[in-house]
Amino acid sequence: DAKTTQPPSMDCAEGRAANLPCNHSTISGNEYVYWYRQIHSQGPQYIIHGLKNNETNEMASLIITEDRKSSTLILPHATLRDTAVYYCIRSFNNAGNMLTFGGGTRLMVKP
Amino acid sequence: KAGVTQTPRYLIKTRGQQVTLSCSPISGHRSVSWYQQTPGQGLQFLFEYFSETQRNKGNFPGRFSGRQFSNSRSEMNVSTLELGDSALYLCASSLAQRRTGEQYFGPGTRLTVT
Repeated sequence: DAKTTQPPSMDCAEGRAANLPCNHSTISGNEYVYWYRQIHSQGPQYIIHGLKNNETNEMASLIITEDRKSSTLILPHATLRDTAVYYCIRSFNNAGNMLTFGGGTRLMVKP
Repeated sequence: KAGVTQTPRYLIKTRGQQVTLSCSPISGHRSVSWYQQTPGQGLQFLFEYFSETQRNKGNFPGRFSGRQFSNSRSEMNVSTLELGDSALYLCASSLAQRRTGEQYFGPGTRLTVT
């Protein structure tokens, strides 16, 4: 069972960067790291994914350590609408579309 | 492009009944996955369909079944409902060209079993 470890909750001030850590110390060389978020009462939303290199898109940046044992999702300028549960997921690219969600981090963005 | 749609959005059933939930994927997406979300167990994978074939299956009893039609629309069925089946049922679609984990979720169907 592929597992990741995330803090259960975090706070962030509106307008500041939110840095969400994820530990995946047993990750395999060909497992990707995916991030999703789930805003209350909605379906999860794909954010970003990566294998080795850092990645950036219009929503966030993903920083993966050189040993790939941990990663950080960065929301550069958090807004109140970013309040959600953020999930860090490991997945082989040939595993089909079967994601194993853990408990995630509940991010509260405060004014 | 329209997102993933699920019907109905809310449903109340009694124990022992059966229920069918429907999911329409994003146009062009051929893979449909189903998940169950409960406060106690979190988000759990049920099964995935691609080109009308079940490709992956989670650890759920046989009361949970699904199918996919030639237009990629999918249905899941739960027979002999139990109180513990009360949950948010989520459908997700993806292009599945390279079996990536990039999926697009619908709003879910909230099932309450009384």
